[in-house]
Amino acid sequence: GENVEQHPSTLSVQEGDSAVIKCTYSDSASNYFPWYKQELGKRPQLIIDIRSNVGEKKDQRIAVTLNKTAKHFSLHITETQPEDSAVYFCAASISPGNQFYFGTGTSLTVIP
Amino acid sequence: DGGITQSPKYLFRKEGQNVTLSCEQNLNHDAMYWYRQDPGQGLRLIYYSQIVNDFQKGDIAEGYSVSREKKESFPLTVTSAQKNPTAFYLCASRLTNYYGYTFGSGTRLTVV
Repeated sequence: GENVEQHPSTLSVQEGDSAVIKCTYSDSASNYFPWYKQELGKRPQLIIDIRSNVGEKKDQRIAVTLNKTAKHFSLHITETQPEDSAVYFCAASISPGNQFYFGTGTSLTVIP
Repeated sequence: DGGITQSPKYLFRKEGQNVTLSCEQNLNHDAMYWYRQDPGQGLRLIYYSQIVNDFQKGDIAEGYSVSREKKESFPLTVTSAQKNPTAFYLCASRLTNYYGYTFGSGTRLTVV
């Protein structure tokens, strides 16, 4: 099955700096890559996603890039704020009917 | 609260007991999923169901059981055969031909 690796496991940045989280996947058939944000004790919330026919997608301070050849995708958060502090998960899926395979998560701390 | 409700929020189990975690959704979603979350291990799939009266094992199904008698409900039973059940359990749902998951708010199970 699919194997998704996520790095780093923890990340600390100063407020206003950028944060980058990277994921790799093993199954070249995967074509949907969401990112979830989970605050402490709460449910994961979808923050951005990308499909394989697109190389980059932006939503305000958040962007995701995808390199299908290298089988990796990344989350970029610019102008970080303390409320960005959370655990971020990447995932990969082959099709709408298939399960998500999640990365192990990155704990992001934004230092005021 | 997002259309998918998990209860209870906290659950304590004695050694040798079976306990059942509830997951109910009013989103008319076809597919439902149970994930287990442990620190540093991301989300791991326990069971999933694409339609009523049908379900499949995920990656870590041993020691768990489920039922899907109604479209809205997908309860998870943690049996005494599960040797290390202390974890955060997340339920999710989605439409069959749609990528996006909706997560519940989770149940934290502790063995005492």
